[in-house]
Amino acid sequence: GENVEQHPSTLSVQEGDSAVIKCTYSDSASNYFPWYKQELGKRPQLIIDIRSNVGEKKDQRIAVTLNKTAKHFSLHITETQPEDSAVYFCAASSTGRRALTFGSGTRLQVQP
Amino acid sequence: DAGVTQSPTHLIKTRGQQVTLRCSPKSGHDTVSWYQQALGQGPQFIFQYYEEEERQRGNFPDRFSGHQFPNYSSELNVNALLLGDSALYLCASIYGTSTDTQYFGPGTRLTVL
Repeated sequence: GENVEQHPSTLSVQEGDSAVIKCTYSDSASNYFPWYKQELGKRPQLIIDIRSNVGEKKDQRIAVTLNKTAKHFSLHITETQPEDSAVYFCAASSTGRRALTFGSGTRLQVQP
Repeated sequence: DAGVTQSPTHLIKTRGQQVTLRCSPKSGHDTVSWYQQALGQGPQFIFQYYEEEERQRGNFPDRFSGHQFPNYSSELNVNALLLGDSALYLCASIYGTSTDTQYFGPGTRLTVL
């Protein structure tokens, strides 16, 4: 089955700096890669996703890049703000199966 | 437009008991997936229901079972509870068969004593 590894497990940045979280996946059939933000005690919220026919996608301060050959994808947050502090999860799934396999999470702390 | 809802919010059970958790998907969504999230970990896929049938299953024992009703709502049942079943149980809803985006409910926090 699919295995998703996520790094780093914790990340501390100063407000205004950029943050990068990286994930690798094992199943070459995976073609959908969402990122979720989970604040303490709340539901995972989809913040951005990318499909395997696209190499990069941006939404304001958030961007995701995908390298299918190397089987890795990354989340980039620019101009970080204290409200970006949360746990971020990457995930992967394949069309037809649609069972998300999650990474272990990255706790991002943005220092004011 | 109501999002994904789950009930109850919290639940405390003892070992060996049985529990039923409920999920109502986002309006218009016909597929429901269930995930278990242990403290400090990412969610793990339990199973997925579409057209009232279990379509996909993760690596969970038969003690975990489910059901989907004609209105697309779903139940997760866990029998013979173990201490290790303590977790946040999340459901996610998906629209149709050709989309991948999953929207999560707030979860049910299950504590097994």
